[in-house]
Amino acid sequence: AQTVTQSQPEMSVQEAETVTLSCTYDTSESDYYLFWYKQPPSRQMILVIRQEAYKQQNATENRFSVNFQKAAKSFSLKISDSQLGDAAMYFCARPSSGATNKLIFGTGTLLAVQP
Amino acid sequence: GAVVSQHPSWVICKSGTSVKIECRSLDFQATTMFWYRQFPKQSLMLMATSNEGSKATYEQGVEKDKFLINHASLTLSTLTVTSAHPEDSSFYICSGVGGMNTEAFFGQGTRLTVV
Repeated sequence: AQTVTQSQPEMSVQEAETVTLSCTYDTSESDYYLFWYKQPPSRQMILVIRQEAYKQQNATENRFSVNFQKAAKSFSLKISDSQLGDAAMYFCARPSSGATNKLIFGTGTLLAVQP
Repeated sequence: GAVVSQHPSWVICKSGTSVKIECRSLDFQATTMFWYRQFPKQSLMLMATSNEGSKATYEQGVEKDKFLINHASLTLSTLTVTSAHPEDSSFYICSGVGGMNTEAFFGQGTRLTVV
């Protein structure tokens, strides 16, 4: 079964601090994409960052970066200099097969940012 | 990024009636539209995949006669919940993609309440 696992249902971070959200996945593919999505209280899904599996370099988008460990099938999200607006549910996701965008989502991590 | 406009954002209907949810891709051609369902504090679960001009493909356990999907054009896909029951109350989200290996853009979601 193709699964995406987020082992942290809830996390909390102090404003301006750094937090890392964990994600592991299962796949038999050699080339694929991985995604982190943010769902704020408005419930609009927002793409935070994307990683292509064949790229060894970890993706970075401003304060957001990933630690992609292909052999371990691990894809964690690091948020630096956390801001109050970062408070949201974060979902790790990957396509269900090959290069499609039919996404399988993890169970989510609810991130709280303390002022 | 591209925009997918989903309407209505919320709807309340009586048991036994039907409700139509629309998703429009505003600035790209969505060759594929995915429909997800999200229960409170849970992840997104894929319901079906629709490709323009062809029949939708439903995930296991999703009743195709209850959740009618139409993707008649490259910019519009609709989900009709037929003979709605209270257990159909949920948050429904669509996402559109313009082709293989492209980003999926999400609609704002529709909160359906069946009373």
